[in-house]
Amino acid sequence: DQQVKQNSPSLSVQEGRISILNCDYTNSMFDYFLWYKKYPAEGPTFLISISSIKDKNEDGRFTVFLNKSAKHLSLHIVPSQPGDSAVYFCAASAVGSSNTGKLIFGQGTTLQVKP
Amino acid sequence: DTGVSQNPRHKITKRGQNVTFRCDPISEHNRLYWYRQTLGQGPEFLTYFQNEAQLEKSRLLSDRFSAERPKGSFSTLEIQRTEQGDSAMYLCASSRLWGEKLFFGSGTQLSVL
Repeated sequence: DQQVKQNSPSLSVQEGRISILNCDYTNSMFDYFLWYKKYPAEGPTFLISISSIKDKNEDGRFTVFLNKSAKHLSLHIVPSQPGDSAVYFCAASAVGSSNTGKLIFGQGTTLQVKP
Repeated sequence: DTGVSQNPRHKITKRGQNVTFRCDPISEHNRLYWYRQTLGQGPEFLTYFQNEAQLEKSRLLSDRFSAERPKGSFSTLEIQRTEQGDSAMYLCASSRLWGEKLFFGSGTQLSVL
């Protein structure tokens, strides 16, 4: 049962353009959402998060949008840079109903930003 | 803050052998998690410790897997009688507060031949 889904395995964009990565979830108990970035042979590194009480959170070039009714979130990167090329994971947690704080991850989307 | 440290970075073993991985979380992080990641998939939750207590185990953690966190500091993950299907990246993560983001280590890449 894949509770967090990233349906696009890969995405290629030109440097300077916008990158949009999408994520869908099925568990309505999820109330905290995160994006992680991963380079080969390294662990995931935190990028940005959003609580379910918000619908948008922005940090520099990165913005996460949350649509609770559609159970959908997206990560926008503007402008995209070649150094952004990595695997991006969407993750979710049911903080309000769980005492573990564990994250459930999607399958990942490989972003390639071409110079 | 030196980050989450995992050792070894790589482990190659023969089927049937036992292996043990170590994780040193960020100091003062009392919450510690183990995840497993295979190619093309996202990290999958294995187990969670709050201080020295193991509070949750995934059904993925078969009886060949055991994890400990003595004294609530570092943690070890042992796999007995390894199988080829155990080949994966094993990731450790920690956090300080409930509901906070997780900080991941670089992982241990296990290859079972």
